[in-house]
Amino acid sequence: GENVEQHPSTLSVQEGDSAVIKCTYSDSASNYFPWYKQELGKRPQLIIDIRSNVGEKKDQRIAVTLNKTAKHFSLHITETQPEDSAVYFCAAQKGDNYGQNFVFGPGTRLSVLP
Amino acid sequence: DAGITQSPRHKVTETGTPVTLRCHQTENHRYMYWYRQDPGHGLRLIHYSYGVKDTDKGEVSDGYSVSRSKTEDFLLTLESATSSQTSVYFCAISDIQGLNSPLHFGNGTRLTVT
Repeated sequence: GENVEQHPSTLSVQEGDSAVIKCTYSDSASNYFPWYKQELGKRPQLIIDIRSNVGEKKDQRIAVTLNKTAKHFSLHITETQPEDSAVYFCAAQKGDNYGQNFVFGPGTRLSVLP
Repeated sequence: DAGITQSPRHKVTETGTPVTLRCHQTENHRYMYWYRQDPGHGLRLIHYSYGVKDTDKGEVSDGYSVSRSKTEDFLLTLESATSSQTSVYFCAISDIQGLNSPLHFGNGTRLTVT
């Protein structure tokens, strides 16, 4: 089955710097890759996603890149702010299994230092 | 935000007692899921449902059962709670209408088994 690895497990950056979180997946049939942000004590919330027919997607300060050949995808946050501090989860899914095969990475705890 | 309500939000129970957690959605989405979240493990799928009375097991289903008698309700039952089932439980939904639809999570139930 699918296995998703995520690195680093913790990341500290200065406010205004960039942060990069990387995930690798094992199943080449996976074709959808969402990213979730979870603040302390709250639910995971979708922040950005990418499908396998796209190499990069941006939404303001957040971007995701996908390398299908290497089977990895990355989250990039620019101009980090204290409110970006949270745990970030990546996930991989096979579209032909319509929803039941989301596999999550173990998470990255991002701390943005003022 | 997706209309997902989990109840109860917090519960403390004793080892060996049965426990039922409820997830209620107002989005009329076909797919519903139960995940547990533990430090270092991210989100792990317990059971999911792809329609009324249609359910299947996830990667950590031992000790859990589910039922879905109506589109809007998905129940998770711990037949005889154990301390290893102390966790935060998240319900999630997704919409089959769109290919590769993301998961939307409820606010979670914190369960402590003493």
